[in-house]
Amino acid sequence: EVQLVESGGDLVQPGGSLRLSCAASGFTFDDYAMHWVRQIPGKGLEWVSGVSWNGGTVDYADSVKGRFTISRDNAKNSLYLQMNSLRTEDMALYYCAKSTRGVIDGYFDFWGQGYLVSVS
Amino acid sequence: DIVMTQSPEYLAVSLGERAAINCKSSQSVLYSSNNENYLAWYQQKPGQSPKLLIYWASTRESGVPDRFSGSGSGTDFTLTISSLQAEDVAVYYCQQYYTVPLTFGGGTKVEIK
Repeated sequence: EVQLVESGGDLVQPGGSLRLSCAASGFTFDDYAMHWVRQIPGKGLEWVSGVSWNGGTVDYADSVKGRFTISRDNAKNSLYLQMNSLRTEDMALYYCAKSTRGVIDGYFDFWGQGYLVSVS
Repeated sequence: DIVMTQSPEYLAVSLGERAAINCKSSQSVLYSSNNENYLAWYQQKPGQSPKLLIYWASTRESGVPDRFSGSGSGTDFTLTISSLQAEDVAVYYCQQYYTVPLTFGGGTKVEIK
């Protein structure tokens, strides 16, 4: 059974930093690209960032480019999102999502339960 | 960036009736080399994570009831629920994966009339 479990830090002030983690299990992690998608409660979905199967290709939404860094550790079956210079508009539920392909441009067949990032 | 526009934003349908949600992309998401439309649909029930329903515009994900179907090509797509059930109350999103940045439609909230 595929499982994606997000975790992270506590409330952070504007300008601060936070690192999200996603622990994956139930599939061959290094076969697939992985992504972060966020959702302000009550609002729509916004793709944040993606990383290819081997970490060789990464990309970001313009809204986070230069502030967020995605990475993965295939040995630990884990995905990360380092979030710096946080703004109040970054406050959202952050989902870890598995792609169906090894490259970034794909759709998502499994999602985590999400981790709420609070910036205040 | 490819902008995805869904309509309507809100849809109220009687149980057993048909619901249709539209999704329009600002540029074609049809790849000529493989004749595939890079378009997916998701369902998000209250308090839950999104769930994949449809990919390649019309291929149903395993386990998804056959009352859900996807159609369209190029820039215009439709998700149809042929006979609405109570458990279909949710917000539905389309997503293009033709190119990064990956983009979603704004969502359509489906409720029972």
